[in-house]
Amino acid sequence: EAGVVQSPRYKIIEKKQPVAFWCNPISGHNTLYWYLQNLGQGPELLIRYENEEAVDDSQLPKDRFSAERLKGVDSTLKIQPAELGDSAVYLCASSLETSYEQYFGPGTRLTVT
Amino acid sequence: DAKTTQPNSMESNEEEPVHLPCNHSTISGTDYIHWYRQLPSQGPEYVIHGLTSNVNNRMASLAIAEDRKSSTLILHRATLRDAAVYYCILRDVFLRGAQKLVFGQGTRLTINP
Repeated sequence: EAGVVQSPRYKIIEKKQPVAFWCNPISGHNTLYWYLQNLGQGPELLIRYENEEAVDDSQLPKDRFSAERLKGVDSTLKIQPAELGDSAVYLCASSLETSYEQYFGPGTRLTVT
Repeated sequence: DAKTTQPNSMESNEEEPVHLPCNHSTISGTDYIHWYRQLPSQGPEYVIHGLTSNVNNRMASLAIAEDRKSSTLILHRATLRDAAVYYCILRDVFLRGAQKLVFGQGTRLTINP
């Protein structure tokens, strides 16, 4: 069974540029999460989807971050414009709505210069 | 969210047992204790969870104190592949459906050959 797929794995951009991350969850998982992980810290939730609906986006900085999950499968997280402080690993996870277990992708490491 | 406290780091030798402690003195009666681990350059992965009784699976054992204010993740025979950051997380069993995971800083486990 394929796991959660994320791309790209690494991205280097200059500040003020836009950037997008893509996530393909495990087939059949209706819940999708985006987490942000700063160096030396545990991941923090940015947004959670149940199917196409964003049910928890309270931690998403909406002035520059946006996310979408069209058709309730793949998801894209965008930052525009990026700032130096956005350098971090962006993790995508998925789960069944009724499950306690979340499956994480390998993450995208973003460096903003 | 109830808080957990873990040592920042621990070190052990290969093929020896490892006991990773977690304190959760403010745990509520409906909180499950979950453990995830994060190998280098990977997303977190589920290890084990429990409510009151000790639990065993192919990866580890979870020992829960009688008052539930602390727990210990036990790796019975550590290998070099067990070197990772281990996170102890509380999740409310009565909250509907999927929930976000609230990560702390975790314990960085080093295994010496």
